Amino acid sequence: IAGITQAPTSQILAAGRRMTLRCTQDMRHNAMYWYRQDLGLGLRLIHYSNTAGTTGKGEVPDGYSVSRANTDDFPLTLASAVPSQTSVYFCASKEEGGDGADTQYFGPGTRLTVL
Amino acid sequence: GQNIDQPTEMTATEGAIVQINCTYQTSGFNGLFWYQQHAGEAPTFLSYNVLDGLEEKGRFSSFLSRSKGYSYLLLKELQMKDSASYLCAVMDSNYQLIWGAGTKLIIKP
Repeated sequence: IAGITQAPTSQILAAGRRMTLRCTQDMRHNAMYWYRQDLGLGLRLIHYSNTAGTTGKGEVPDGYSVSRANTDDFPLTLASAVPSQTSVYFCASKEEGGDGADTQYFGPGTRLTVL
Repeated sequence: GQNIDQPTEMTATEGAIVQINCTYQTSGFNGLFWYQQHAGEAPTFLSYNVLDGLEEKGRFSSFLSRSKGYSYLLLKELQMKDSASYLCAVMDSNYQLIWGAGTKLIIKP
């Protein structure tokens, strides 16, 4: 399967619980991204990784952590979920690393509800 | 600060032409992207402009004026399947995308 997969598709979570959203790509892309999308707002970058072994903070990193142990996987962890983290989460990737103005491709998203 | 502005919603008729505008103020510029997003789905790439002028791709065209901080997406011969949100995004000096909130396009028969 070519592209980006995300799991789970949707999840309802109790506040205070820990949750990891999974993202895997098989395109051998260097850069990967996590965004959240909320009604009335543009996509907001949470964390990114320009290449395996490196990560960086985006616009809204608080409450989230990431790791990039290999090229294909880029999991996003919520250490202790809060209701304001209710959102749709998209993982994306692009072929080039940091200094590349090429296209980002998106996974299907994870709809997360924190109660 | 960085800002991308586009209309919240537009309505057009099947078979007609619609222009969706986007204005931007960003720290640096490495290109402007348009994405389409159907409800409940992921954004998909439509176009990329880095030089001034018009890029045409089938029924869709995208225009850029860097001096005015302005772009538009032109959709011709509208079809019902074009009902979606259209997202404008600018790649800033750090090669990160800054996103507008999107324009919801409603197509009426």
